[in-house]
Amino acid sequence: GENVEQHPSTLSVQEGDSAVIKCTYSDSASNYFPWYKQELGKRPQLIIDIRSNVGEKKDQRIAVTLNKTAKHFSLHITETQPEDSAVYFCAASFNYGQNFVFGPGTRLSVLP
Amino acid sequence: KAGVTQTPRYLIKTRGQQVTLSCSPISGHRSVSWYQQTPGQGLQFLFEYFSETQRNKGNFPGRFSGRQFSNSRSEMNVSTLELGDSALYLCASRFNTEAFFGQGTRLTVV
Repeated sequence: GENVEQHPSTLSVQEGDSAVIKCTYSDSASNYFPWYKQELGKRPQLIIDIRSNVGEKKDQRIAVTLNKTAKHFSLHITETQPEDSAVYFCAASFNYGQNFVFGPGTRLSVLP
Repeated sequence: KAGVTQTPRYLIKTRGQQVTLSCSPISGHRSVSWYQQTPGQGLQFLFEYFSETQRNKGNFPGRFSGRQFSNSRSEMNVSTLELGDSALYLCASRFNTEAFFGQGTRLTVV
């Protein structure tokens, strides 16, 4: 079955700096890769996603890149703000949304 | 549109008991998935239901089961509870690709 690894497990950055979180997946059949943000005590919420036919997607300060050959994808957050502090989960799924397999999460702390 | 609703929000059960959790998806969403979230293991996939049929299943013992009704509401049942079952149980409903999560049910087994 699919296996998703995520690094780093914790990340601290200064406000205004960039943050990068990397994930690798094992199943070449996976074709949909979302990123979820979970603030303390709240439910996970989708922040950006990418399909296998796209190499990069950007939405304001966040972007995701996908390398299908290497089976890895990354989340990039620029100009980080304290409200970006949360746990971020990457996921991989096949058939564009079935059977999400999540990475273990990255706890991002943005220091003012 | 109302979001995904899970009930109850909190539960305390004793080892050996069973428990049923409920999830009401967003109207029009036919896919409901269940996840177990623990501090050390992240979000672990339990199963997914679509139109009352279990479509996918994660690597959990048979004590974990679920079902989905014709109105897409889903229930998850855990029998013979163990201390290690203490976790936040999240359900998510989906129409297309995006999964919308409920607030979760926090289960504590004592």
